[in-house]
Amino acid sequence: GENVEQHPSTLSVQEGDSAVIKCTYSDSASNYFPWYKQELGKGPQLIIDIRSNVGEKKDQRIAVTLNKTAKHFSLHITETQPEDSAVYFCAASATTGANSKLTFGKGITLSVRP
Amino acid sequence: EAGVVQSPRYKIIEKKQPVAFWCNPISGHNTLYWYRQNLGQGPELLIRYENEEAVDDSQLPKDRFSAERLKGVDSTLKIQPAELGDSAVYLCASSISRAPYEQYFGPGTRLTVT
Repeated sequence: GENVEQHPSTLSVQEGDSAVIKCTYSDSASNYFPWYKQELGKGPQLIIDIRSNVGEKKDQRIAVTLNKTAKHFSLHITETQPEDSAVYFCAASATTGANSKLTFGKGITLSVRP
Repeated sequence: EAGVVQSPRYKIIEKKQPVAFWCNPISGHNTLYWYRQNLGQGPELLIRYENEEAVDDSQLPKDRFSAERLKGVDSTLKIQPAELGDSAVYLCASSISRAPYEQYFGPGTRLTVT
């Protein structure tokens, strides 16, 4: 089955700086890659996603890039703010077949220092 | 638009006792998921429903876990009897069938088994 890994497990940045969170996946059949933000005591919130037919997607201060050859994708947050502090999960899924379910990474804790 | 609703938010029980969790998905979402999230980990799928049919329950420990989705809307997840290792956050998510990978999560139920 699919295996998704996130590195590092924690990341601390100064307010206003950029943050980059990387994920790798193992199954070449995966073609859908969402990112979720989870704040304390809340469920994961979908913040951006990308499909394998595009290499990059942006939404205001966040962007996601995908490298299918290397099987990795990254979340980029620019002009970080204290409210960006949370746990971020990447996930991967194939849209058909036995692996058509989201497999999540273990999450990375992002801390934005004011 | 109301999000995914779950109750209770917290539950503390003694081992060997039964427990049930309830989920009301976003209106119009035909697909419903139950996940378990252990501390420091990403969510792991337990069961997926398409309307009232369980289409993927391969990760559900069927000796003690059961789920139902009567009338294809609300769903209940039950554990009987609970074990210490069942302590976790149980998350419900839903999606529109034609975009099954844009999943929206509820706040979760934090279960503590003592």
